[in-house]
Amino acid sequence: DVKVTQSSRYLVKRTGEKVFLECVQDMDHENMFWYRQDPGLGLRLIYFSYDVKMKEKGDIPEGYSVSREKKERFSLILESASTNQTSMYLCASSFERSYNEQFFGPGTRLTVL
Amino acid sequence: KQEVTQIPAALSVPEGENLVLNCSFTDSAIYNLQWFRQDPGKGLTSLLLIQSSQREQTSGRLNASLDKSSGRSTLYIAASQPGDSATYLCAVRPRDYKLSFGAGTTVTVRA
Repeated sequence: DVKVTQSSRYLVKRTGEKVFLECVQDMDHENMFWYRQDPGLGLRLIYFSYDVKMKEKGDIPEGYSVSREKKERFSLILESASTNQTSMYLCASSFERSYNEQFFGPGTRLTVL
Repeated sequence: KQEVTQIPAALSVPEGENLVLNCSFTDSAIYNLQWFRQDPGKGLTSLLLIQSSQREQTSGRLNASLDKSSGRSTLYIAASQPGDSATYLCAVRPRDYKLSFGAGTTVTVRA
């Protein structure tokens, strides 16, 4: 079974802190994604990566950056956390082929005070 | 821009009734459509993936159909159980990597 894990289920940080969210997948997937999910707004793509050290902006990249130094690990970084970044963050991965199925991690509920 | 709509937003049925969940999308140029289940406070679990060349996909009590030309997919869940209570999301994949998600249908199955 594909397994996507995220470093924390719940996280509480203060405004201005630098925050790292880690995601690891064990299926040798080329593609990895970071989404955030908010009530009434659904899932929105923040960033995705199609290879090591490669990244592309999604729909809402402002205030975020990412890092992919190894194929299995994709990190989301909040350089200076703000209260409007309080959200559920979901990581996903998939193979690089046309009909690729995305597999999601359990999510990290981030609260910024 | 691809728009994905799921109607109804919420559904409550007695145990044993069949569930019918609808998903519509505006751009028929898709590679695939994926149905997910999400329990409260949890991540998404992939249920079914339908490729653009397929008409339907089945897994156990679940059956999903795809009519690409009309921009519609339907998820059928037979003989619903209280454990089927969750939010069901559909997502379409156009020609790039990005999935476009619907807002979901929240299902409650009453015992």
